[in-house]
Amino acid sequence: DAGITQSPRHKVTETGTPVTLRCHQTENHRYMYWYRQDPGHGLRLIHYSYGVKDTDKGEVSDGYSVSRSKTEDFLLTLESATSSQTSVYFCAIRPTGTSSNEQFFGPGTRLTVL
Amino acid sequence: GDSVTQMEGPVTLSEEAFLTINCTYTATGYPSLFWYVQYPGEGLQLLLKATKADDKGSNKGFEATYRKETTSFHLEKGSVQVSDSAVYFCALIGMDSSYKLIFGSGTRLLVRP
Repeated sequence: DAGITQSPRHKVTETGTPVTLRCHQTENHRYMYWYRQDPGHGLRLIHYSYGVKDTDKGEVSDGYSVSRSKTEDFLLTLESATSSQTSVYFCAIRPTGTSSNEQFFGPGTRLTVL
Repeated sequence: GDSVTQMEGPVTLSEEAFLTINCTYTATGYPSLFWYVQYPGEGLQLLLKATKADDKGSNKGFEATYRKETTSFHLEKGSVQVSDSAVYFCALIGMDSSYKLIFGSGTRLLVRP
């Protein structure tokens, strides 16, 4: 158990509304990631963070923003949700000091945009 | 850019059958390679990993060998169980500083009693 929680676990929202998903970790790891999972695509990186206030874009970042004001929390925001953002969102951490770079995942958030 | 290709599923096997799920990759340098498993309704769990050529990762009876010459990392298990039914993802971490995972599209395995 890597001590990763995500909230909410499920959310249904309407097109055009803002949505914020939260990832919380308990072990002060530097690297955190947001991925989305869609059928036929595996998981794709949205944004990642390599420290407080240090973030960068992944391959599917359009329509998403992130913030990391403290080590333990990494927030993903959909400023104006669209139906194409219906997906399962996973947060992951890369443990500090690992030599093989593996990542560990949270339980996921299932988001439905109507 | 870096990419991972894995065999399409679903793969349907009888209990105690031999399993192979093919995975090939394209990457510069020497990526780290992983297999993750996702059981129904759950998140992803790291199944096994390999960090350099000819390394063999193993866990829970599953094995995969990092083959640089064929750019492959095929997952195998000698005797599958019903409890192995899940989606299996091959993934790599390349040489850039983000340490981001690049995933294949996943292969669903269904094991019948």
